[in-house]
Amino acid sequence: DVKVTQSSRYLVKRTGEKVFLECVQDMDHENMFWYRQDPGLGLRLIYFSYDVKMKEKGDIPEGYSVSREKKERFSLILESASTNQTSMYLCASGTGQNTEAFFGQGTRLTVV
Amino acid sequence: AQRVTQPEKLLSVFKGAPVELKCNYSYSGSPELFWYVQYSRQRLQLLLRHISRESIKGFTADLNKGETSFHLKKPFAQEEDSAMYYCALSGRGRNFNKFYFGSGTKLNVKP
Repeated sequence: DVKVTQSSRYLVKRTGEKVFLECVQDMDHENMFWYRQDPGLGLRLIYFSYDVKMKEKGDIPEGYSVSREKKERFSLILESASTNQTSMYLCASGTGQNTEAFFGQGTRLTVV
Repeated sequence: AQRVTQPEKLLSVFKGAPVELKCNYSYSGSPELFWYVQYSRQRLQLLLRHISRESIKGFTADLNKGETSFHLKKPFAQEEDSAMYYCALSGRGRNFNKFYFGSGTKLNVKP
């Protein structure tokens, strides 16, 4: 059974904190992605990575950074959390070879 | 610029009625089109993709390049079809799996 696992289902952080969201996949996929999901806006791409130590900005990278030190792990970092970053965050992985992408269960982040 | 539009936020139908969830797209190239579904408290999962040309759970979707549409259809809705549906496109090659999603349509099938 394919697996994309996000470290937390729910997270509450204070404004200004540095926040780490972790994602691990066990399918040896090259590509990994972070999206945020907001009602009425769908999913929007924050960052993605084609390979270890490689990253590219998506559509809404401001306020975020990422780290991919190992192939199976892709971390999303909120350098200084703000209330407008309260959202559901979804991680995904794929081979990039004409196969489907698989999503994690999501992390509901609330910044207070 | 790439864009996916789902005009309906909510679609309510009765069990057994036909369903059509609309999706229009714009993309400068030849995209791959997908429908993803998210059932309550479950993760987002692939429903179908246009290149497969298959029917999943009774759903079909035809890519109309002239109208740049990829509408999702099912002739007889079931209560278990109630979920959030997202239309998505991705590029090809290096950009495969880099999705642009629509805003989603919530399908509610009433008994």
